[in-house]
Amino acid sequence: AQSVTQLDSQVPVFEEAPVELRCNYSSSVSVYLFWYVQYPNQGLQLLLKYLSGSTLVKGINGFEAEFNKSQTSFHLRKPSVHISDTAEYFCAVSVQNTGFQKLVFGTGTRLLVSP
Amino acid sequence: DTEVTQTPKHLVMGMTNKKSLKCEQHMGHRAMYWYKQKAKKPPELMFVYSYEKLSINESVPSRFSPECPNSSLLNLHLHALQPEDSALYLCASSQDTSGSWYEQYFGPGTRLTVT
Repeated sequence: AQSVTQLDSQVPVFEEAPVELRCNYSSSVSVYLFWYVQYPNQGLQLLLKYLSGSTLVKGINGFEAEFNKSQTSFHLRKPSVHISDTAEYFCAVSVQNTGFQKLVFGTGTRLLVSP
Repeated sequence: DTEVTQTPKHLVMGMTNKKSLKCEQHMGHRAMYWYKQKAKKPPELMFVYSYEKLSINESVPSRFSPECPNSSLLNLHLHALQPEDSALYLCASSQDTSGSWYEQYFGPGTRLTVT
């Protein structure tokens, strides 16, 4: 079964510092991988996605992620974070389910940016 | 317009009440989804509608009853809920569901409290 693991439940960081949020996936077949962000009291917004092609994926708000097949990882990075990046970040994998694409989310990582 | 709207934003209901959650999109999407998100947990898929027909029911209890009156509207009827059903209910839509990957656009959610 396809799944994703986010080992860090919370990542505290100072403003303007770099950050990496870790995500590992398990799958025996080709995968579609995603990072979503959820700001307090809001729905989810897609940050970036890997479907195929270049392993370095750039997303919105200055985020990027690298697909690493040998390490089965899809870590999210940002070189310099802002206070406004404080949010919950979910890694997700798309799973085929009776002909339908279904999103399976990791447990989430709370990014806490302080001044 | 990439907006999915949900009403109400907050709902408090007793265990004997009947209430409904509403979701609307005007992007011409033919797939709509209900997710349940407990506090500090990832969203979990409940139902998928494709072309106004129920395609996926993730073994959701019958006290939750989805309805898709037309391609723009998705309802979730609630009856005889339990306190453990308190959660954030997220609606999402996508252009389609099968054959490829389509981005899901999420609404802000309805925060439900069952007393």
